[in-house]
Amino acid sequence: KQEVTQIPAALSVPEGENLVLNCSFTDSAIYNLQWFRQDPGKGLTSLLLIQSSQREQTSGRLNASLDKSSGRSTLYIAASQPGDSATYLCAAPNSGTYKYIFGTGTRLKVLA
Amino acid sequence: GAVVSQHPSWVICKSGTSVKIECRSLDFQATTMFWYRQFPKQSLMLMATSNEGSKATYEQGVEKDKFLINHASLTLSTLTVTSAHPEDSSFYICSARGQATYEQYFGPGTRLTVT
Repeated sequence: KQEVTQIPAALSVPEGENLVLNCSFTDSAIYNLQWFRQDPGKGLTSLLLIQSSQREQTSGRLNASLDKSSGRSTLYIAASQPGDSATYLCAAPNSGTYKYIFGTGTRLKVLA
Repeated sequence: GAVVSQHPSWVICKSGTSVKIECRSLDFQATTMFWYRQFPKQSLMLMATSNEGSKATYEQGVEKDKFLINHASLTLSTLTVTSAHPEDSSFYICSARGQATYEQYFGPGTRLTVT
């Protein structure tokens, strides 16, 4: 069964720093991997979806990479802002399915 | 595009009553929807997969008679928590899967409090 791990669990940085959030998964037979943002008490906002055939996706200041062979994905946030403060979740499907298994998340706090 | 709504956004009910939560895909058709629950400061746990026109499939440990799922149309799935107890208090989130890319689009969640 797929297991998804995210490190660090929490991160506090000054505004303007470039960040790397890590996501590891145990089963590389995935169709895709998706990164989300969750604000306190809110639902999930999709940030980036990487298909299994892709190595990275970019949206604005966000870049996500996928290395299936090593079971890793990274989310890179450039020039962080206080508005980026949230919990970031990655999700990878259970083997051969589209059922997502979520990591425990990284709680990010960007200080002004 | 790809908006998913949930109703209600929060609900308080008494122990022993039933509560229905709706999940709608507003601008696309979703043959598959998923229901998750999230306890405070924890990640999302998949409860069940809802398929239009057929029975839902439940994850191990989820009581299908307690969490009734109906997916009667391509844009609506409902989750009914029957005979609710305080331990059912949680944040329930649904998602709808796009047919082209299989990306999942999430609703805003429903916070259920059982007193």
